[in-house]
Amino acid sequence: GAGVSQSPRYKVAKRGQDVALRCDPISGHVSLFWYQQALGQGPEFLTYFQNEAQLDKSGLPSDRFFAERPEGSVSTLKIQRTQQEDSAVYLCASSLGQRDRRADTQYFGPGTRLTVL
Amino acid sequence: GESVGLHLPTLSVQEGDNSIINCAYSNSASDYFIWYKQESGKGPQFIIDIRSNMDKRQGQRVTVLLNKTVKHLSLQIAATQPGDSAVYFCAKGYQLIWGAGTKLIIKP
Repeated sequence: GAGVSQSPRYKVAKRGQDVALRCDPISGHVSLFWYQQALGQGPEFLTYFQNEAQLDKSGLPSDRFFAERPEGSVSTLKIQRTQQEDSAVYLCASSLGQRDRRADTQYFGPGTRLTVL
Repeated sequence: GESVGLHLPTLSVQEGDNSIINCAYSNSASDYFIWYKQESGKGPQFIIDIRSNMDKRQGQRVTVLLNKTVKHLSLQIAATQPGDSAVYFCAKGYQLIWGAGTKLIIKP
C-alpha cells in the first residue's frame, strides 16, 4: 500500500515568499505530525493533529508557520514571508493513533526540502 | 529540559561485523525510546522501540538495550550489511525528542 507522500519534494523560494507544503498520510491514519529537520540534525517536532484537530502546535517556531488538516486527511504546512533560517527538510509522519498517540509507530514521508534564497 | 545525544557522529564497521550505536539521554519523564534509520533523501524509518519497563528488546538482526541507571540506550545490528548504511537516530518520548544521529558506514 501507499505510504506517506509529500509534495513538492523540493522547493526553492525567495526570501519573503509564502510557501505551502502538502502531506498525504496513510489512509486511515488518525494522527499526523510535522517535523523540521535541519542539515545534519535530528528532526524537531512542529505540530500534531488528531483527525482535523490541531492538538499541539508548541513546536511551531513563529507565527509565520501555520498548519491545517481541514478534513482530517491531507495536511498543509504553510510558511509565510519565508526567511533563510526556514531552509530545512520538512517531514510529515502519520500513525494510527486511535486514542493515545503515544502507542503507535509513526511512518514518515520523504520530506520536502525547502531552500530559501 | 529533556534531550538525547548520540555518542559518535560517524561509525565505520566491516561488512559482516556487528555494529553498536550508542545514545545517552537526560533525566527523562519519558518511558518510551525509539530507534530510527534514515537513508539519504528519505524520511526516517522505524527500526525498534523499547519502553522503560524493559531492559532489552530484540527484532530481526537488531537489539535495543536500555540502561536506566546510566541513562544509556544502544542499538546493536548483527552481521552488518551494505543496506544498513544510513544515519541512525535515537528518539524518546511521544513527541519524539531526537538526537543528532550517527552515520553508519559499511566497509566492504
